[in-house]
Amino acid sequence: AQSVTQLGSHVSVSEGALVLLRCNYSSSVPPYLFWYVQYPNQGLQLLLKYTSAATLVKGINGFEAEFKKSETSFHLTKPSAHMSDAAEYFCAVSAGQGGSEKLVFGKGTKLTVNP
Amino acid sequence: DAGVTQSPTHLIKTRGQQVTLRCSPISGHKSVSWYQQVLGQGPQFIFQYYEKEERGRGNFPDRFSARQFPNYSSELNVNALLLGDSALYLCASTLYLATDTQYFGPGTRLTVL
Repeated sequence: AQSVTQLGSHVSVSEGALVLLRCNYSSSVPPYLFWYVQYPNQGLQLLLKYTSAATLVKGINGFEAEFKKSETSFHLTKPSAHMSDAAEYFCAVSAGQGGSEKLVFGKGTKLTVNP
Repeated sequence: DAGVTQSPTHLIKTRGQQVTLRCSPISGHKSVSWYQQVLGQGPQFIFQYYEKEERGRGNFPDRFSARQFPNYSSELNVNALLLGDSALYLCASTLYLATDTQYFGPGTRLTVL
């Protein structure tokens, strides 16, 4: 069975600082991994996805994530935080061919960006 | 192009009542999935439908049911509501089962009193 652990339910950074949100996964088959962002009172928006094509994945809004099989990790980073990045971020894993199978989500990390 | 739409936006019910939530997928998408997101948690998978057939079910009681219509829209029904059913219910659509990326709607916020 697939599972995801997000380390740190709350992360606070200063504007312009590096953003690092941690995600570790467990999967018995090669995983498909996703990061979604959720702004208050909204649904989920896909930031990026890993589907085995390249280990470094670039997403929207300057975010990227690196798949490390040896560490079973898929951490999300952004070099310089903006106030608009304040939101909740969810890491998810899927065992499906392309991620259209059910997604298993982590509990989320709430990112606060301080001026 | 319109994204995934869900109705209603908010809903308040009392314990024991029944509720129906609606979802319209992105035009051309044939698969719809439902997720429950309790406050402070990540979404949990409830159902997946493709071409009007159930293709996956999460660990939810039989009080939860769903269906998909010929136009690929979907309804989620919850009977005998409990306080613990209060959550944001998210619908996601994909083009086919074996394609990537689930696109999520804005959700329906259900409050059970």
